[in-house]
Amino acid sequence: EAQVTQNPRYLITVTGKKLTVTCSQNMNHEYMSWYRQDPGLGLRQIYYSMNVEVTDKGDVPEGYKVSRKEKRNFPLILESPSPNQTSLYFCASRTGGGSGELFFGEGSRLTVL
Amino acid sequence: SQKIEQNSEALNIQEGKTATLTCNYTNYSPAYLQWYRQDPGRGPVFLLLIRENEKEKRKERLKVTFDTTLKQSLFHITASQPADSATYLCASWNGGYQKVTFGTGTKLQVIP
Repeated sequence: EAQVTQNPRYLITVTGKKLTVTCSQNMNHEYMSWYRQDPGLGLRQIYYSMNVEVTDKGDVPEGYKVSRKEKRNFPLILESPSPNQTSLYFCASRTGGGSGELFFGEGSRLTVL
Repeated sequence: SQKIEQNSEALNIQEGKTATLTCNYTNYSPAYLQWYRQDPGRGPVFLLLIRENEKEKRKERLKVTFDTTLKQSLFHITASQPADSATYLCASWNGGYQKVTFGTGTKLQVIP
């Protein structure tokens, strides 16, 4: 089954404790990206990757890091989480060209205390 | 910067009626617009795409229009059902298909 898998789905952590949210897709997609979703602000793009070893900032990259060492994986790293990073996070992937249809994971709800 | 607005945060409609959701864009001319459905606590799911040179696109009970003069896309669900209740998002990519901008969504409630 074609899917994008995120882990963990739920996480409560404390300010400053580094954490990583993993994302894996099994569709051989070149493009992967991360979003955060907040009430009233909608989905906002954090980082994206056009292919292995190619990453770039989206609209809200501050406080986040990413890496793309393998085509299927695109982890999101919060080096020093802060309460304003409490949010619902989504990973998504798509093929390199075409209509740009995004396939989303189920989401990771992060709370930073 | 490109901006997408979905003016209605919420829309309540009676079962069997046609729901119409609006997406307006400013400061750019997208090559196409996409519509997604999102259920509570789930990731968005792609529904339809319409290109700038297409006036209308249909898929089963769904219809999307694209008016480049009004800078607007309308999303219609005909013969709406309670199962159609969800949040609907419109989205568009920048010219290089690297960044995508989403609207804030319209929460549709279909009342039996």
